[in-house]
Amino acid sequence: AQSVTQLGSHVSVSEGALVLLRCNYSSSVPPYLFWYVQYPNQGLQLLLKYTTGATLVKGINGFEAEFKKSETSFHLTKPSAHMSDAAEYFCAVSLNTDKLIFGTGTRLQVFP
Amino acid sequence: KAGVTQTPRYLIKTRGQQVTLSCSPISGHRSVSWYQQTPGQGLQFLFEYFSETQRNKGNFPGRFSGRQFSNSRSEMNVSTLELGDSALYLCASTRTSGNTGELFFGEGSRLTVL
Repeated sequence: AQSVTQLGSHVSVSEGALVLLRCNYSSSVPPYLFWYVQYPNQGLQLLLKYTTGATLVKGINGFEAEFKKSETSFHLTKPSAHMSDAAEYFCAVSLNTDKLIFGTGTRLQVFP
Repeated sequence: KAGVTQTPRYLIKTRGQQVTLSCSPISGHRSVSWYQQTPGQGLQFLFEYFSETQRNKGNFPGRFSGRQFSNSRSEMNVSTLELGDSALYLCASTRTSGNTGELFFGEGSRLTVL
């Protein structure tokens, strides 16, 4: 069965610092991987996705993630945090079925 | 282009009652999925509909049901409400069935069960 583990329910960084949110997946076959962001009182918005091809995926708002099959990881990074990045981030996996399996989320705080 | 619209945004019910939530997908989207979001369990998949047919279902009791209409609008119903049903219910739509693409989420319906 497929699953997703997000390490760290809360991450705090200073404005301008590197953002690193960790995601590891479990899947018997190559999965599709996603990162979503949720701002307060809003639904989820897709940041980026990996389906096939290039393992380094660039998304919106300066975020990117790298699919590492050997490490079963799909960590999300951003070189320089901005105050507006404060939100909850969800990693998700799919096996081309009709549902996404989400991780438990990581709340990112950005301090001035 | 209008986004996914969910109604109502907030509602309060008491135990034993039932509730119906509505979701209007983005125009042209035929697949609608429902998720339950709680602080303890995170995002849990409820079910997915495509062309009025339920294509996939999560591990929820039979009290949770849904349907999709010919215009792709979807409703979900929860009967005999329990305190643990308090959650944010999120609807998402996509053009086709199968999650190789992007899910577009609504802002959710926040249900409180007293």
